[in-house]
Amino acid sequence: EDQVTQSPEALRLQEGESSSLNCSYTVSGLRGLFWYRQDPGKGPEFLFTLYSAGEEKEKERLKATLTKKESFLHITAPKPEDSATYLCAVQAATGFQKLVFGTGTRLLVSP
Amino acid sequence: GAGVSQSPRYKVAKRGQDVALRCDPISGHVSLFWYQQALGQGPEFLTYFQNEAQLDKSGLPSDRFFAERPEGSVSTLKIQRTQQEDSAVYLCASSLASGNSPLHFGNGTRLTVT
Repeated sequence: EDQVTQSPEALRLQEGESSSLNCSYTVSGLRGLFWYRQDPGKGPEFLFTLYSAGEEKEKERLKATLTKKESFLHITAPKPEDSATYLCAVQAATGFQKLVFGTGTRLLVSP
Repeated sequence: GAGVSQSPRYKVAKRGQDVALRCDPISGHVSLFWYQQALGQGPEFLTYFQNEAQLDKSGLPSDRFFAERPEGSVSTLKIQRTQQEDSAVYLCASSLASGNSPLHFGNGTRLTVT
């Protein structure tokens, strides 16, 4: 069974204090690993897709990396507006486009 | 352009009532998904449509849950005889047909069963 585990469950940072969020996964052949951001009362917003080990993608203060067993979302010099829940999801190579999500990391960045 | 639209945004139902939740996907998106998200949890897959065909309904928790997409565009998720454990946010997502296109989510319908 495909599974995603995210850690930590919650993270509090000071503005400018860089850190990383972890996503460990087991999947029967990885088609893609997805990162989403979710604000309270909103649906998840797409950030990145990673397809193979060693791949990296960046967007503003965020950088996502992928290994064969886990992905990291690095946040460099965060700002309060980066506060949100960050969700990781995997898509298996077989079957349809279904995403299996982790429970997310709630990030709070204080000014 | 317009994103995925869901209605209503909030729904309060008394236990035992039937509810219908609507999803308008992004125009041209072939794939449509329904997810259920409990408080503090990640979204959990319910069902998947490719055009009007329901190709995977393995996540529907019971036979009280039913989804349709008769013309391959708008979809409706129906829950019969609602129970308190059905209280959650129901998210709809759509994507292009290609295998690893990202899913684009609506803002969900928050269902509260009293």
